Amino acid sequence: GQQVMQIPQYQHVQEGEDFTTYCNSSTTLSNIQWYKQRPGGHPVFLIQLVKSGEVKKQKRLTFQFGEAKKNSSLHITATQTTDVGTYFCAGLSGTSYDKVIFGPGTSLSVIP
Amino acid sequence: NAGVTQTPKFRVLKTGQSMTLLCAQDMNHEYMYWYRQDPGMGLRLIHYSVGEGTTAKGEVPDGYNVSRLKKQNFLLGLESAAPSQTSVYFCASSYFEDGETQYFGPGTRLLVL
Repeated sequence: GQQVMQIPQYQHVQEGEDFTTYCNSSTTLSNIQWYKQRPGGHPVFLIQLVKSGEVKKQKRLTFQFGEAKKNSSLHITATQTTDVGTYFCAGLSGTSYDKVIFGPGTSLSVIP
Repeated sequence: NAGVTQTPKFRVLKTGQSMTLLCAQDMNHEYMYWYRQDPGMGLRLIHYSVGEGTTAKGEVPDGYNVSRLKKQNFLLGLESAAPSQTSVYFCASSYFEDGETQYFGPGTRLLVL
């Protein structure tokens, strides 16, 4: 079945360094979403990408959807302690909702 | 506007006991979902509902049942809890299907001894 993988599983960075997490799907996706979950919290929607090659920015966060619509990345420039948390990608394949698959997440730690 | 709420926040069960988790949303969303989250495994869809009176199985439905008698409520039942069901359970809702933004509740931590 469809699988969504994320790398790395964990990332520790010094405050001010950049951070990137990668999301890869075994199948072509209709769209991809990114969520952030703070420690002890619940996932919160960040963004959705739909078009092949799409790039979206939210302040220091840059999201990219691959040309083949099978991979995506989230890049954070100059990390801050408020960026701490786990970042999940969620891919939709097909039109049935049980095809939405979450990746295992990348846990980001920021050292002040 | 409370968004998505879940009760209880935390529960301890003994193997074989039953319980119901309640999810409520006040955003008039059509679609509602139950996920479980385990370390290193992300979020896995248990069951979902595309409208009042309808439910469907997700990725890991075994051992769980659901009901959507009212549009704003989605109940997750464990008839006979097992230690493997120890997890954090999240409810979510969305307005449209097809990958629309999902709004998550705060979660229910369940420990089955």
